[in-house]
Order: sequence, then structure tokens, then C-alpha cells
Amino acid sequence: DAGVTQSPTHLIKTRGQQVTLRCSPKSGHDTVSWYQQALGQGPQFIFQYYEEEERQRGNFPDRFSGHQFPNYSSELNVNALLLGDSALYLCASSRRQGYEQYFGPGTRLTVT
Amino acid sequence: GQSLEQPSEVTAVEGAIVQINCTYQTSGFYGLSWYQQHDGGAPTFLSYNALDGLEETGRFSSFLSRSDSYGYLLLQELQMKDSASYFCALSGGYQKVTFGTGTKLQVIP
Repeated sequence: DAGVTQSPTHLIKTRGQQVTLRCSPKSGHDTVSWYQQALGQGPQFIFQYYEEEERQRGNFPDRFSGHQFPNYSSELNVNALLLGDSALYLCASSRRQGYEQYFGPGTRLTVT
Repeated sequence: GQSLEQPSEVTAVEGAIVQINCTYQTSGFYGLSWYQQHDGGAPTFLSYNALDGLEETGRFSSFLSRSDSYGYLLLQELQMKDSASYFCALSGGYQKVTFGTGTKLQVIP
């Protein structure tokens, strides 16, 4: 049973560019959450998708957007990249009524 | 909003017991979770307290007191592989999770 997978593993972008990160949830999970983790900090909640709709959102600007597909996989899009967007982006999946989240290995984004 | 505070670093000896504390401020939540994260790795779920009291899972135990806005993670029979960062996290509606600042545990021989 494959766990949560994310792609790409690493990404280098230039300020002002746009980026798309991808996540496939653990089998049987229908809810996907995205987190941003800066070095030495705890993960910060970006948003959560369920039934292809954004259900919860953290304190992130509209430059951060997402999508969930019918197969429950999800994308995170970040527009107009800033240097401060450099971080590890984590995807976590869960069952809608569950409390345990399974995290993917993350995508390390570097903005230069 | 919600906020959680943890000690930034803790050092303990292999084979010993260590307690990692977590204090929080929130207007409401469903439960308190604990996650472990090794350097370069993803967070992994350790435990969840929906109710006050102690939950035990093998060498790990977690405690919650809603009246004191306080919880802790207890690790027994410490092993070198337990060296990692530990995060407490509040679960809100439909798993909107707010993570704490994290505690870096170093286990020494």
C-alpha cells in the first residue's frame, strides 16, 4: 500500500515565477491538506481539500491556490513567487472523520 | 487564533524517560496530537488525545488537561533513534491542524 507521494522532490524557481506541486494521498483517504514548513519551524497549515473543494484555509495569501481531482490527488499552486516562499511543502492525507494525518516526504522549494 | 508553545530543545540519556511539554491557547479544539519528525523526513503521527487523561502507545504516552491548556508527551526507554523533533498540534474542525513550535530531542549515550 503506497503512502502519500509528492512530486517533485526538489524545485528551484526565480522570484515572480509560478510553481505547481503535486500530491497523491494514501489509499482510502479522501482529504488532503497542504502545509508550509520553514527551516526550524513547525508546519503551517495552508489549506485543505475535500470533495474537490477548499474546506479550510490558513493565513496564506491568494497567491496560494489549490485543486483536488476526482481521484483525490491534489495540486498546490503558488503564483508570483517571493524569496520568503522558500520552504518545505508538505502534503498530508486523512479520512474525513479521522484525526491521524499521513504526511508525504515533501517538496523542497527554493526561490532565488 | 491558536498558538502552542514547546521547549525548543531537550537532551536526555539513552534508556531514560523524557517529558516534552506543550501549552496552548485556543478558543476551541477537538484534540491534541503529537508528531515526530526526523531531520530531512516527514512528520509521522504518534498519538492523539481527544479527552483529558493519559493515552499510552508502547513506549510513548500522551497527556491532556483542557482545564490547564496543557499537554505532554512522555517517551520511555529512550533509544538513539528517538532523536528527532516533536510537535504538538491542535486539531480543529475537520482536521485543520495547528502545529506547535517543535522540540528538538537529543538522546545521548
